[in-house]
Amino acid sequence: GAVVSQHPSWVICKSGTSVKIECRSLDFQATTMFWYRQFPKQSLMLMATSNEGSKATYEQGVEKDKFLINHASLTLSTLTVTSAHPEDSSFYICSVKGAASYEQYFGPGTRLTVT
Amino acid sequence: RKEVEQDPGPFNVPEGATVAFNCTYSNSASQSFFWYRQDCRKEPKLLMSVYSSGNEDGRFTAQLNRASQYISLLIRDSKLSDSATYLCVVNPMIKAAGNKLTFGGGTRVLVKP
Repeated sequence: GAVVSQHPSWVICKSGTSVKIECRSLDFQATTMFWYRQFPKQSLMLMATSNEGSKATYEQGVEKDKFLINHASLTLSTLTVTSAHPEDSSFYICSVKGAASYEQYFGPGTRLTVT
Repeated sequence: RKEVEQDPGPFNVPEGATVAFNCTYSNSASQSFFWYRQDCRKEPKLLMSVYSSGNEDGRFTAQLNRASQYISLLIRDSKLSDSATYLCVVNPMIKAAGNKLTFGGGTRVLVKP
């Protein structure tokens, strides 16, 4: 499977600040990247789908102006949580998918805590 | 009805025993099915894809029952390291859904000595 990294692995920030999370596909041309959020004891919830070079498609209920996604290359996507609030505290995980299969490979996740 | 449903467990399994659990899906047109494993505070990792004829990978066996719209996972000779949450994942194959996967809530398995 693909090797996916995320940076940072954890971050603590103050309410009102913005946080950028990077997702890198290290050995895989990721035509599509996905961003998920997982709250404690809940399953993954898809936030948005991004295809390289085009605008992300957001799931219902996810504010695109709050969660900015940039997928500038086949190996890098970023998620910026703007004006973070304590309710944004969660585990954010990216995944990558190639053109040839439906399998997704996940990054190690970023644990965000907003104080 | 949820698109993908799983018994949340936990399934308490003695080490060395066999455990099996199912996952049901609502969209009969679904074509791709997967089992992922997620450890506490970690990302999901692909355990195996599920094929129409069923498939086996070591101690793990996955089956697909299209008529009843469920997939199953069986773990033989359980190891302590098998303790995890097992996520059932389905690609609904709806054009509007694109390449999205739908995740079940997970089944927690605890293997005890």
